[in-house]
Amino acid sequence: GNSVTQMEGPVTLSEEAFLTINCTYTATGYPSLFWYVQYPGEGLQLLLKATKADDKGSNKGFEATYRKETTSFHLEKGSVQVSDSAVYFCALSAGGYNKLIFGAGTRLAVHP
Amino acid sequence: DAGVIQSPRHEVTEMGQEVTLRCKPISGHNSLFWYRQTMMRGLELLIYFNNNVPIDDSGMPEDRFSAKMPNASFSTLKIQPSEPRDSAVYFCASTPVTHDGYTFGSGTRLTVV
Repeated sequence: GNSVTQMEGPVTLSEEAFLTINCTYTATGYPSLFWYVQYPGEGLQLLLKATKADDKGSNKGFEATYRKETTSFHLEKGSVQVSDSAVYFCALSAGGYNKLIFGAGTRLAVHP
Repeated sequence: DAGVIQSPRHEVTEMGQEVTLRCKPISGHNSLFWYRQTMMRGLELLIYFNNNVPIDDSGMPEDRFSAKMPNASFSTLKIQPSEPRDSAVYFCASTPVTHDGYTFGSGTRLTVV
C-alpha cells in the first residue's frame, strides 16, 4: 500500500543553520508529493508540492525535489529562522479523490 | 476567502454526551476530509466526501462516530456517546478538483472528561 516515512524528531537547530528533514515514500503509480507545516495551535498549511519526478517544489526558502529513483522528497532550507519552528509533515497523493497520506510529522525547534 | 471554517474551536464535554463538530469548506471545493490528530497516533483520516457523497469511511474508529455532508457548504462529525479516548484535535480540510493541496481548518480541540 501507500505510505510515507519521515525522520523522527525533534530536530533542534540554531538560527541560520542548514535544515534537512528526510522523507521517503512507498506508492503504486505516480503520486504527487507535498510538505505541510503546522504551527502551534493551528491547522496544517501547504508549504510546497511536486507532481512528477525531478520536479522541485519551493516556498519561503524551503525546497524539496521529487526523486523517483530513491522514492524520496527531502525538505531543505539553507538558513532557518526561529519562526520556522513548527511540525513538518510529508504527504503523498495517489489514486482517486485527492486522498492524502501523511507521515508522522517532524518537530523542528530553532533556537536563537 | 475565509478559508475552511470549523466550529467550535474548543469543546469540553462529559463522557456519554453527544458531540457535534461542524465544518464549512471553501466554496467550490468538491472534496472534504475529516482528520483526527493525537500525540499517539498522529494524523488519522476518518472519512472523506466527494461532491457531498461519502467515499471512504474506513477510518471511522467505531459506530459511535458518524459524519454527514447534506450540501456542498456544510459537514458535521458526530460522536455519540463520547468517551475520554476520543479527546483529540479534529481537523476538516477541503480541496478542489485540481488538487492544488488541501486547505485545513483551524481544528476543534475536543476534551472528553
